[in-house]
Amino acid sequence: GQQVMQIPQYQHVQEGEDFTTYCNSSTTLSNIQWYKQRPGGHPVFLIQLVKSGEVKKQKRLTFQFGEAKKNSSLHITATQTTDVGTYFCAGLLTGTASKLTFGTGTRLQVTL
Amino acid sequence: GAVVSQHPSWVICKSGTSVKIECRSLDFQATTMFWYRQFPKQSLMLMATSNEGSKATYEQGVEKDKFLINHASLTLSTLTVTSAHPEDSSFYICSASDDPQETQYFGPGTRLLVL
Repeated sequence: GQQVMQIPQYQHVQEGEDFTTYCNSSTTLSNIQWYKQRPGGHPVFLIQLVKSGEVKKQKRLTFQFGEAKKNSSLHITATQTTDVGTYFCAGLLTGTASKLTFGTGTRLQVTL
Repeated sequence: GAVVSQHPSWVICKSGTSVKIECRSLDFQATTMFWYRQFPKQSLMLMATSNEGSKATYEQGVEKDKFLINHASLTLSTLTVTSAHPEDSSFYICSASDDPQETQYFGPGTRLLVL
């Protein structure tokens, strides 16, 4: 079945450092979505990427969708303690109805 | 933005009892609702997809007789965990969408602890 892997599983950075998580799908995706889940909370939608090679920015966050639509990345510039949480990518498989397959997640810890 | 609620947020029950979890879309009509399960420090695993007025589609390995899903209206879906056992203890999260190809809006989740 479809697998969506993320690396790293966990990253601990000091506030102000940059952070990147990578998402790789075993199959081509129709679109990819990114979610953030704070400890004890539920996933919150961040963004959706649809086009091959698409790049979107949200303040300090930069999202990229690969040319082959099988991988994606999320980069955070100058992390803050409020960035703490687990970041999940979720892929919508090409040709299927609506099922999102969530990635394995990257847990980010930011300390002062 | 679109809001999805879940009730209850916490459930503690004895082994063998059934638990019903409600998922409501508050300000939009959800043609499709999804139920996920998340174990500690793991990702979300899709359990089933439900469309209003039709039977839910369950993912491989999910027992449909144990996890009963009813999508009675465009704003309400329920998940009933029948004869719950300790291994069913988990974080159950629903999401709702008015367009399967677009964003899913997640509820706050329900933490189930079966003793």
